[in-house]
Amino acid sequence: ETGVTQTPRHLVMGMTNKKSLKCEQHLGHNAMYWYKQSAKKPLELMFVYNFKEQTENNSVPSRFSPECPNSSHLFLHLHTLQPEDSALYLCASSQWTSGRTDEQYFGPGTRLTVT
Amino acid sequence: RKEVEQDPGPFNVPEGATVAFNCTYSNSASQSFFWYRQDCRKEPKLLMSVYSSGNEDGRFTAQLNRASQYISLLIRDSKLSDSATYLCVVPSGGSYIPTFGRGTSLIVHP
Repeated sequence: ETGVTQTPRHLVMGMTNKKSLKCEQHLGHNAMYWYKQSAKKPLELMFVYNFKEQTENNSVPSRFSPECPNSSHLFLHLHTLQPEDSALYLCASSQWTSGRTDEQYFGPGTRLTVT
Repeated sequence: RKEVEQDPGPFNVPEGATVAFNCTYSNSASQSFFWYRQDCRKEPKLLMSVYSSGNEDGRFTAQLNRASQYISLLIRDSKLSDSATYLCVVPSGGSYIPTFGRGTSLIVHP
């Protein structure tokens, strides 16, 4: 077990729905990440939170809205998605030390299908 | 040069073979490097961290060449269970954001 959990594991939603993905880490880390992985494509970094503050937003469309209420929890709120948003959404956490990146630990992901 | 570049493969090798992958990076200031393994439809899992010249863990050896800006992963005595995609990660930019390569696919056959 990696100590990072994600729910739900699978999600099917229509383009007009609103849903949220949840991530929780039990590792005492201070940084959390959302990644998108589409079929046969590399991991795409979406958002980074460091000490609950968003430090990176990798030009992600506004239909994806992250929320980080504390250093252990991360949400990704979804609304009016497009079929091309269907992908595996991965959450990760790590310790963040000034001038250095430590190992990331990933959750099992949420496989999202937009119909 | 792309921030992190890997040969996508696939590398198709028989059991027992030795195989090596390279990963080149552009950020000369990077201090930490990582190899992850990702099985089909699963999350990436940390395989090795490299903070100095290299690291060894059983059949796996990672080496860092700072002058040429690449890291390598060597797998000895390949097992069928080593079949996976191997991802190279290098912190990039001034804020050291982890940047993933596209991954190298390894297929070990009987």
